[in-house]
Amino acid sequence: NAGVTQTPKFRVLKTGQSMTLLCAQDMNHEYMYWYRQDPGMGLRLIHYSVGEGTTAKGEVPDGYNVSRLKKQNFLLGLESAAPSQTSVYFCASVQGPGELFFGEGSRLTVL
Amino acid sequence: AQTVTQSQPEMSVQEAETVTLSCTYDTSENNYYLFWYKQPPSRQMILVIRQEAYKQQNATENRFSVNFQKAAKSFSLKISDSQLGDTAMYFCAFIYHNTNAGKSTFGDGTTLTVKP
Repeated sequence: NAGVTQTPKFRVLKTGQSMTLLCAQDMNHEYMYWYRQDPGMGLRLIHYSVGEGTTAKGEVPDGYNVSRLKKQNFLLGLESAAPSQTSVYFCASVQGPGELFFGEGSRLTVL
Repeated sequence: AQTVTQSQPEMSVQEAETVTLSCTYDTSENNYYLFWYKQPPSRQMILVIRQEAYKQQNATENRFSVNFQKAAKSFSLKISDSQLGDTAMYFCAFIYHNTNAGKSTFGDGTTLTVKP
């Protein structure tokens, strides 16, 4: 049972490039989340989804887009990367009220 | 909107001793869940303990226990018999679910160092 899998684990981008982070969960969870974690700080919610085909903004959504075309996948896109988006990105999922299951994180560096 | 405050950026404790990490939160909701997550240097987020707001009894998981004061909106974590492997960053988190939202809020974390 893989749980929550994030790809890629590491990525280096140049300013202005685009990329997509993929989050896949095999637990049939309804809710999925994307967070960013900056050094020495907690997790800040970027976007989340309460079900297939739905997405909503979190507290720091600017510069990111998301899609949930399939229940098991939640994609996070950066259309034009900026150095301020250098961070570690975490995906998480949960079925209902309860424990969040996290991926291992994806470290993104924007030069 | 929910807020979570962890007022202790860093703490240290001697091995085998007890330490308490504090967390306060603010919400207008009544039904929610509170969690403590541990993040070791490996970066993996690991659930330590959870508390349902409707339960008055404080949650306990082996050496880890919480002091949940709903009226005061306080949710502290006590680690007994601290071990070197407890060295990590600890995050307090608030999660509320309703039919149209699934938001979660994390504190900024407390870095705990267990000294031999």
